[in-house]
This record gives sequence, C-alpha cells and structure tokens, in this order.
Amino acid sequence: EPEVTQTPSHQVTQMGQEVILRCVPISNHLYFYWYRQILGQKVEFLVSFYNNEISEKSEIFDDQFSVERPDGSNFTLKIRSTKLEDSAMYFCASRPRPRGDEQFFGPGTRLTVL
Amino acid sequence: RKEVEQDPGPFNVPEGATVAFNCTYSNSASQSFFWYRQDCRKEPKLLMSVYSSGNEDGRFTAQLNRASQYISLLIRDSKLSDSATYLCVVNEEYGNKLVFGAGTILRVKS
Repeated sequence: EPEVTQTPSHQVTQMGQEVILRCVPISNHLYFYWYRQILGQKVEFLVSFYNNEISEKSEIFDDQFSVERPDGSNFTLKIRSTKLEDSAMYFCASRPRPRGDEQFFGPGTRLTVL
Repeated sequence: RKEVEQDPGPFNVPEGATVAFNCTYSNSASQSFFWYRQDCRKEPKLLMSVYSSGNEDGRFTAQLNRASQYISLLIRDSKLSDSATYLCVVNEEYGNKLVFGAGTILRVKS
C-alpha cells in the first residue's frame, strides 16, 4: 500500500539554525499539507500546497517558514531560524483530489530545538 | 469557542465494553468529517469518514448530526488494541485544511 514518507524521523538543532524537513507524498496525489503537533497539544494546520503554489496558510506559517516541491516527488518544509517553540512533531500529508477525500499522513519528523 | 471540541477523557473501559465518543464543531459550513486514530507519538491514521446517513465499519459506527453540529463514534466489543487517542476532524472547505479536535483518550483494560 502506498504511503507518505518523511525524513529525518528526528532532528535536533540549535536555536537560530535552519532546518529542512522532507516528505515524499503518495505518487498520484496532487494536494500536499504540513501540520505540526506540539507535545500534548492538538494537531495544527500549517500550510497547503497545490499546483506548485501555496493555497492556504495558517497564522503559524510566518516568514520563517517556506515550502517547496523541488522535483516531482519531494515536498519540503524549511524553517529559516528555528526558535525553541518550533519544537514539535511535523506531519506531512497528501490527498489525491480536493473534494471530501481524506488526507494521508506521514510518520512525522520530531524537531527538537535546543 | 473551540473549532472542534472533544471530551479529553481518559475513558477507561474493560475489554468487550461499548464506548461512545462525542464531538461538536463550530463552523456550520463544514463540509466533511472524519475520525482519526492516533497512537502515542505516531501520525494520525484515518479510522473512518462520517456521513449524515451514518456509517458502520465492523465494530465502529459513526454518526453526523448537521443540525446540532455534532459527531459521534461508537466502538463495540472493545479490544486492547483499540487503546489510542481518537481525533475528531473537520474539513471546513473542500480541498483545504483539516481542523483537529484535541482528542479523546481511550484505554481498554483486560
């Protein structure tokens, strides 16, 4: 069964450093998403991406964040200058079609900012 | 008011019990509804979509009441492996973000 994959599974970084989280969505999916979950809190939407551009972003997704689909398979989330409060699980998700279909989540990247 | 509200639990039940979770959502224009399951420190996994007509998948039954903005999940004959956090999830607009509740913790004990 096809699945969303994410690398790395765990990333430790120093405050102020840049990190890039990588995702490979399911191959025939067209809609891509990033969510985050701070430990003990609910899953929160960050950004959605379709047709090589951002279709929606949350208040969390400020200028420090960017997304890119550099080739036909990878979908990346970059945090330019990490803060302590960026420590969280980051989940990538993909969806085949826009209307009413469920999103499929990757296993997540645990980001720890020291 | 929270967008998606759930009782956090935990619900501690014996094996074989029937347990029900409820959820309310604030946006009356919400389009689609789901229950996801999340195990500790893992990704959310789709359990089932929820339709106004109600739907059943084995031991799991989900119901949607649009007038009351209320979603429910019933688990019959609970198994130890059902222990997890159950997330009520709403899609406010087709094609866009999912809005998650904080989850309800279920612990099934032998």
